[in-house]
Amino acid sequence: RKEVEQDPGPFNVPEGATVAFNCTYSNSASQSFFWYRQDCRKEPKLLMSVYSSGNEDGRFTAQLNRASQYISLLIRDSKLSDSATYLCVVNDNFNKFYFGSGTKLNVKP
Amino acid sequence: DVKVTQSSRYLVKRTGEKVFLECVQDMDHENMFWYRQDPGLGLRLIYFSYDVKMKEKGDIPEGYSVSREKKERFSLILESASTNQTSMYLCASSFPGVYEQYFGPGTRLTVT
Repeated sequence: RKEVEQDPGPFNVPEGATVAFNCTYSNSASQSFFWYRQDCRKEPKLLMSVYSSGNEDGRFTAQLNRASQYISLLIRDSKLSDSATYLCVVNDNFNKFYFGSGTKLNVKP
Repeated sequence: DVKVTQSSRYLVKRTGEKVFLECVQDMDHENMFWYRQDPGLGLRLIYFSYDVKMKEKGDIPEGYSVSREKKERFSLILESASTNQTSMYLCASSFPGVYEQYFGPGTRLTVT
């Protein structure tokens, strides 16, 4: 079983739509959670950390559900520039990070 | 601005060749990582290092070795390249613990 699982998509949405991605993780002892964004042929970059209380950064909201072991990312008012692959990342508190295979988002005009 | 650089963006090698991939970071990070990224499999950890001369195996270390002689530099070595090592190789660095990882631009290695 993979440590981190994501729906690969692609999610094809029109500009202005709201879209949500989920990610599940297998290790209940995992400590830290992140969403990274990866543009085509580029390196991953941190989008946001995910806190137990949930957190918001502009149009992006991340939630953590420890009981069900999933993390979500909500994007409101999608822009063309949001088109990318979104990677869910889980840290086991021993310097090791586990990456999901990514969810591809295409925002269409 | 944190900078992680990798020695090559594209590399083509022949089966059996010894291959060196270099990574340099300028943020005095203790931790450095080597991943490979393949379609549908995501990023998989090959090796990481938490200090000079210290290293730990990741999830897929077979066929690879690493070297960290200086804090800012972490090298990945393919002792005898094989076609199944054709992949995108990404280096990353971070402070210890749960901090953000910063990635280099990647090296796309093709082994023929």
